[in-house]
Amino acid sequence: DAGITQSPRHKVTETGTPVTLRCHQTENHRYMYWYRQDPGHGLRLIHYSYGVKDTDKGEVSDGYSVSRSKTEDFLLTLESATSSQTSVYFCAISGQGVTGELFFGEGSRLTVL
Amino acid sequence: GNSVTQMEGPVTLSEEAFLTINCTYTATGYPSLFWYVQYPGEGLQLLLKATKADDKGSNKGFEATYRKETTSFHLEKGSVQVSDSAVYFCALSDPGSGNTGKLIFGQGTTLQVKP
Repeated sequence: DAGITQSPRHKVTETGTPVTLRCHQTENHRYMYWYRQDPGHGLRLIHYSYGVKDTDKGEVSDGYSVSRSKTEDFLLTLESATSSQTSVYFCAISGQGVTGELFFGEGSRLTVL
Repeated sequence: GNSVTQMEGPVTLSEEAFLTINCTYTATGYPSLFWYVQYPGEGLQLLLKATKADDKGSNKGFEATYRKETTSFHLEKGSVQVSDSAVYFCALSDPGSGNTGKLIFGQGTTLQVKP
């Protein structure tokens, strides 16, 4: 199994509070991604990174920010959580680019009350 | 824009039945195509992939053929087992994304196999 750890795995928070999800990899892969999974929508890309300090937006980036200060860590931050951000968040990594396989973490379930 | 459309689920089958899950895509350029599987409580894992037209991906008895003429990548299995119960996602690599590996996913199809 690919070495990907997400934390926390479960979190309940209140509207307006900041939340940070962490993704840690031990594979030294270049690319890292944050997706959210919602019923009827599949997985949608929030942000991704193609190297240390190199990040870009995905299709649903509003309300989210990311940082990657080390190869192994990719942080997703909700500056002020809203109920529409209740979701399951998945981190993924890839070392091979466009034809390569994505390896997924086990997910972080976030509930915003 | 680029997109993936999967048949709606849930799909309920008896053990040893034949499985087809339809997937069609819209893309400019020449994407790679993927099927991922998600077992309950877990992350997604790659089931199979095809990187060019007419390629057939296969794994664990599952198959899918990249059909450019019909823009399809249907997943098939000749005889399903209870252990195949999961959510299946079709995905394509975004041809306009360079080499970033971004994937666009369909909405997922839940398969339930009954003994």
